[in-house]
Amino acid sequence: EIVLTQSPATLSLSPGERATLSCRASQSVGTSLAWYQQKPGQAPRLLIYNASNRVHGVPVRFSGSGSGTDFTLTISSLEPEDFAVYFCQQRSDWVTFGGGTKVEIK
Amino acid sequence: QVQLQESGPGLVRPSETLSLTCSVSSRSVLSADYYWSWIRQAPGRGLEWVGYIHNTGNTKYNPSLKRRVSISLDTSKSQYSLRLTSVTGADTALYYCARDLGSGGGYYYGLDVWGQGTTVIVSS
Repeated sequence: EIVLTQSPATLSLSPGERATLSCRASQSVGTSLAWYQQKPGQAPRLLIYNASNRVHGVPVRFSGSGSGTDFTLTISSLEPEDFAVYFCQQRSDWVTFGGGTKVEIK
Repeated sequence: QVQLQESGPGLVRPSETLSLTCSVSSRSVLSADYYWSWIRQAPGRGLEWVGYIHNTGNTKYNPSLKRRVSISLDTSKSQYSLRLTSVTGADTALYYCARDLGSGGGYYYGLDVWGQGTTVIVSS
C-alpha cells in the first residue's frame, strides 16, 4: 500500500497569504497524483490532476508541483472561499488518499 | 455534464449487507472508458477508496475490504452498485460514488465527478 502523508494537518492563515501544502508518498507514484478541495457538507472537488495540471475552471492561484514522492499544492493568495480541507490522492498502485490538510482562517 | 446520485438504505444492521446504487445521468457515458468508483468517509475522518469497476467489467478493490466488497455495473439502468457484506460499526460512513478518468498518455486525470454522498449508519 502506498501511504500518502499530508502536512501540516492544519494551516492557519489570513486571506491574501500564501498557502503551501505538502503530500509525501511512501514510494514513488511518478506524477499519478491529484489534489481535491472539500468544503463542509460538500463532495470533494478535483483541482489538480497529474501532479501539476489545473482542472479547467480552477483559479490560477492554485498550482501543483512535484513528482516521485514529494508533492506540493500552493495557493498563491488565499481568498475567503479557499478555506477548506485539501486531500491528495494517488493511483500509481491502487487508490489511496492522504489524511488531509485543513486550511483555516487565522 | 455528467451527474451522479447515490441511493440506498441509511441504516444497516451489523453483520448484514450494505447495498448502494449510483445513478448516472447519461447511459452512454457509463459505457465509456472510465472507472466507476466508490469512496467513503467516516465521520470526521478522511477519504477511503472502496473500489471501482471499469466499463469492461474489470474491478479493483481496496485490499482491506476485498473479501467483503463487490461492485457491479448495469448500463441498461444507467447505474452501478456497491455491495458490502458482514458490516460492522466501522463501515458507518458517508459513501460517495465518483468517476475516475484513469490514466492515458502518461497522465493521471483524477476523480472528476462526484455524487453528493449518502450516509450509511451500521447499528442494531
